[in-house]
Parts: sequence; C-alpha cells; structure tokens
Amino acid sequence: NAGVTQTPKFQVLKTGQSMTLQCAQDMNHNSMYWYRQDPGMGLRLIYYSASEGTTDKGEVPNGYNVSRLNKREFSLRLESAAPSQTSVYFCASSDPDVKTQYFGPGTRLLVL
Amino acid sequence: QKEVEQNSGPLSVPEGAIASLNCTYSDRGSQSFFWYRQYSGKSPELIMSIYSNGDKEDGRFTAQLNKASQYVSLLIRDSQPSDSATYLCAVNSYQAGTALIFGKGTTLSVSS
Repeated sequence: NAGVTQTPKFQVLKTGQSMTLQCAQDMNHNSMYWYRQDPGMGLRLIYYSASEGTTDKGEVPNGYNVSRLNKREFSLRLESAAPSQTSVYFCASSDPDVKTQYFGPGTRLLVL
Repeated sequence: QKEVEQNSGPLSVPEGAIASLNCTYSDRGSQSFFWYRQYSGKSPELIMSIYSNGDKEDGRFTAQLNKASQYVSLLIRDSQPSDSATYLCAVNSYQAGTALIFGKGTTLSVSS
C-alpha cells in the first residue's frame, strides 16, 4: 500500500497562474482533507470531503476549489495563485469510524 | 471558533529524561484526541490516539486525557535524540464532520 500520495512534490508559480494539486489514497477511506501549513500557524483545514460526491469548506477556503473525483482521488485547484498561497499543502484521508487521519508527503508551493 | 492550544516551545530535555507535552482544547463536545509527530520537512505521523479519560500507554509514550479540565497531554519516557521533532495535538470537530483541529505544535529538542 502506498497510503496517501501527492503530486507534485514541489512547484513554483507566478502570481495569477493556476494549478491543480493531486491527491490519491489506496486505503479505501471515505473521508479526505486538504490542509495548508505555514510557519507559526499550524495545520489549517482548507476543504474536506466526508464521502465521495460531497465537499465542504474548512477554515481557509478562499482562493481554492476542490474536486472529489472518485473515492480514491481528491484534488485542490488554485485558479489564480497569489503570494499568500505560498505554503506546504498536505492531503489526508481517514475512515470516519476511526477518525485517525493519515497524511501524504506534502506539496511545497512557492508563488512569486 | 474551536481552538486547540499548545506551548510552542522549544522544550529542551536531556537524553533519558521524561518529556511532558500539554494541550488544551475549547470544544467540550470533542470526543477524539490525537498526538502527531512531525519531523522537519516531513508530514505528520500519528503516534497516539485517546478517546476516554485516563491514561493510555504505548511503549515509551503515554497519553493522558481529562475531559473535565479539557486537557490532554503526552509523556515521552527515556527521551531519545530521535524524538526531537514538533508534536501536534489534534482534536475532532463535529462541526467539520470527521475533520480535526490542530494545535500549532510544540517543538521538542532532546540533547545527547
């Protein structure tokens, strides 16, 4: 089992460019999440998907969109990147009965 | 706004000592509590979960929960230099389905 995988590992964007961060899990989990982590701010929830076909906003959703493509995949899109979106992005998944979340390796995004 | 509070540290202990990490939370309805360890540049990994009042032990790690005081702690016995990392406390939020609210983390440094 690969667990939770994320692509790309690192990306540099110019202000205004768009990109999609990909996340996939092979643990048959129903729930998936996107977080961003900034120095001194901890992990903050951007969006989550409790099950296939549903998505909900988290604490910091502005500037992002998500798609739950199927049970395995949950993507995060930046339509017009801003320097404030420079961060490390983590995808996670969980089984709702257990609630334990498992994290992917992260994507480091730099917006110039 | 539901909150999880941790001292940012750094907490410095000598090798072989007991490290004590503390966390308080604001949502009295929270039911699940987790400790994650995060090495620099890596993703968070689960080390302990606890759901009921009292102590839970796993090897050198002991999690303690006191729901009346809204307090959860992590004790690391016989601390090793390899325990040097940031420790994140996380609490479930029913307002965000199965999502977790994370504290900002406590940095632990174990000196040999």
